[in-house]
Amino acid sequence: EAQVTQNPRYLITVTGKKLTVTCSQNMNHEYMSWYRQDPGLGLRQIYYSMNVEVTDKGDVPEGYKVSRKEKRNFPLILESPSPNQTSLYFCASSFSQVNTEAFFGQGTRLTVV
Amino acid sequence: GDSVTQMEGPVTLSEEAFLTINCTYTATGYPSLFWYVQYPGEGLQLLLKATKADDKGSNKGFEATYRKETTSFHLEKGSVQVSDSAVYFCALSVGAGTALIFGKGTTLSVSS
Repeated sequence: EAQVTQNPRYLITVTGKKLTVTCSQNMNHEYMSWYRQDPGLGLRQIYYSMNVEVTDKGDVPEGYKVSRKEKRNFPLILESPSPNQTSLYFCASSFSQVNTEAFFGQGTRLTVV
Repeated sequence: GDSVTQMEGPVTLSEEAFLTINCTYTATGYPSLFWYVQYPGEGLQLLLKATKADDKGSNKGFEATYRKETTSFHLEKGSVQVSDSAVYFCALSVGAGTALIFGKGTTLSVSS
């Protein structure tokens, strides 16, 4: 089954404790991205990657890192989480960046206290 | 810059009512337009899309027509069901180096 898998689904952590949210897709997609979803703000892109070893900033990259060492994986790293990073995070992948369907993971609800 | 504006929710309807969710966009070039749906506790999934002017996307009884002259892509369904209750996002894609740009989402609640 074609899918994007994120882990964990739920995470509560403390300020400053490094964490990683994993994302994996099994569709051989080149393009992957991370979004955060906040009430009243919709979805905003954090980082994206057009292929292995190629990553770039989205609209709200501050406080986040990503890596793309393999085509299927695109982890999101928070080196020093802060409460304003409490949000619902989605990973997405697509065959290309334009005109094609994006497949989304089920989301990771992160709470930073 | 490029942007999507969709009507604020929530939209509350009775079963079998007609649904319209308005979406307008601002974009340079010729964007592709999408509607995504998010059911409770799930990620977004593509509902329908249109890639050029006058195209009509349709799926599961939902329709939307790409109107270049009014820069709109309104979502419609003739008879909603309780199972259509979800958050609906209008989005556009303009080309390489850019993200899918989403509207803020419209929550639809359908009661029996």
